[in-house]
Amino acid sequence: DTGVSQDPRHKITKRGQNVTFRCDPISEHNRLYWYRQTLGQGPEFLTYFQNEAQLEKSRLLSDRFSAERPKGSFSTLEIQRTEQGDSAMYLCASSLVGQGNTGELFFGEGSRLTVL
Amino acid sequence: GEDVEQSLFLSVREGDSSVINCTYTDSSSTYLYWYKQEPGAGLQLLTYIFSNMDMKQDQRLTVLLNKKDKHLSLRIADTQTGDSAIYFCALQTGSARQLTFGSGTQLTVLP
Repeated sequence: DTGVSQDPRHKITKRGQNVTFRCDPISEHNRLYWYRQTLGQGPEFLTYFQNEAQLEKSRLLSDRFSAERPKGSFSTLEIQRTEQGDSAMYLCASSLVGQGNTGELFFGEGSRLTVL
Repeated sequence: GEDVEQSLFLSVREGDSSVINCTYTDSSSTYLYWYKQEPGAGLQLLTYIFSNMDMKQDQRLTVLLNKKDKHLSLRIADTQTGDSAIYFCALQTGSARQLTFGSGTQLTVLP
């Protein structure tokens, strides 16, 4: 399967613990995005990478959140000192941006976080 | 920022047409998308329309774009039970070309 893969698919943690999610984008896609989706809502943009550079972060990304894409391939999203309000589905998407393509986003199946 | 609105629910009978509507505030989007999300799954791109088009047809799907009214719609012909899902419209915005999503329309297809 050459789609976007995310790991783990489900994570249950206690408040105050740290969690890390991993995303493997479609190979050769130069952009990688993180979104958060809460129940009954559409996905909300968190941050994105162009290759290994993190170019934009939304206001939703508090200081407890950090994302990396060290070699321009896979990415990790870490949440420190989790709070119950962090419970959500974390979606990763990748795209190929360049001449002659629409830059459409391909999404993974998401990592569901439950904070008790 | 961009505001994207959708009605929350739509029920149709199998075989009928479904029309899912979306309104938005920012007219600078280059591409407008429709995504489908089934329970427990990620987002599947259904179709998209370029902002200089009024209509795009793709098999059972027809997208209409009214730029004056900032209104986007998705028509599904001959709706099947397998079409039951949440449908999101999304606009490509910003230098990051990130997507701004509506809150989704839950489509229920009744037998």
